[in-house]
Amino acid sequence: EDKVVQSPLSLVVHEGDTVTLNCSYEVTNFRSLLWYKQEKKAPTFLFMLTSSGIEKKSGRLSSILDKKELFSILNITATQTGDSAVYLCAVGHDYKLSFGAGTTVTVRA
Amino acid sequence: ETGVTQTPRHLVMGMTNKKSLKCEQHLGHNAMYWYKQSAKKPLELMFVYNFKEQTENNSVPSRFSPECPNSSHLFLHLHTLQPEDSALYLCASSQPGLAGANEQFFGPGTRLTVL
Repeated sequence: EDKVVQSPLSLVVHEGDTVTLNCSYEVTNFRSLLWYKQEKKAPTFLFMLTSSGIEKKSGRLSSILDKKELFSILNITATQTGDSAVYLCAVGHDYKLSFGAGTTVTVRA
Repeated sequence: ETGVTQTPRHLVMGMTNKKSLKCEQHLGHNAMYWYKQSAKKPLELMFVYNFKEQTENNSVPSRFSPECPNSSHLFLHLHTLQPEDSALYLCASSQPGLAGANEQFFGPGTRLTVL
């Protein structure tokens, strides 16, 4: 059975902290891993990863994929209250895109 | 704004009603998707259309019926729904290809409540 597991389910940090979100997967015919940020609206795209070991960065966010160990991490440095959201991991495989349950990040001022 | 719009944004319907959700994308994409997001559950892919052809039906009950008249529009026709169908229904679009091969852009969703 295909699985996409995100951890932790939720966390609370203070502004300026660094957070690390995890996504592990077990799927057939892996194609890509995507990260999305969802506030009280549509998920917005952050990264798509297809190759192991190559870090993708966008401002204070970065992500890397390990296809041998079947996981990815999303890092957010110097967190701000605007980073509060649900972060979704999705894996493209076979003819599907399977999502994890998400990690809820709350950043307190 | 992501270039994907959905109407209505909120819908309340009885189990015997028939209603339709509409999605429109202005991004020139040729693939469109319907997802269901229930509380505390992962996003579930329902249907995929590539170049107006349905390429994925993820074991969705027949009370949900998709329609894709052209590459810019996608509908989800609803009839005889159950209360457990209450959820946020999200539409997305992307360049065509296998799911996950290209970034998907999501609409704001329709919050559906079935009484």
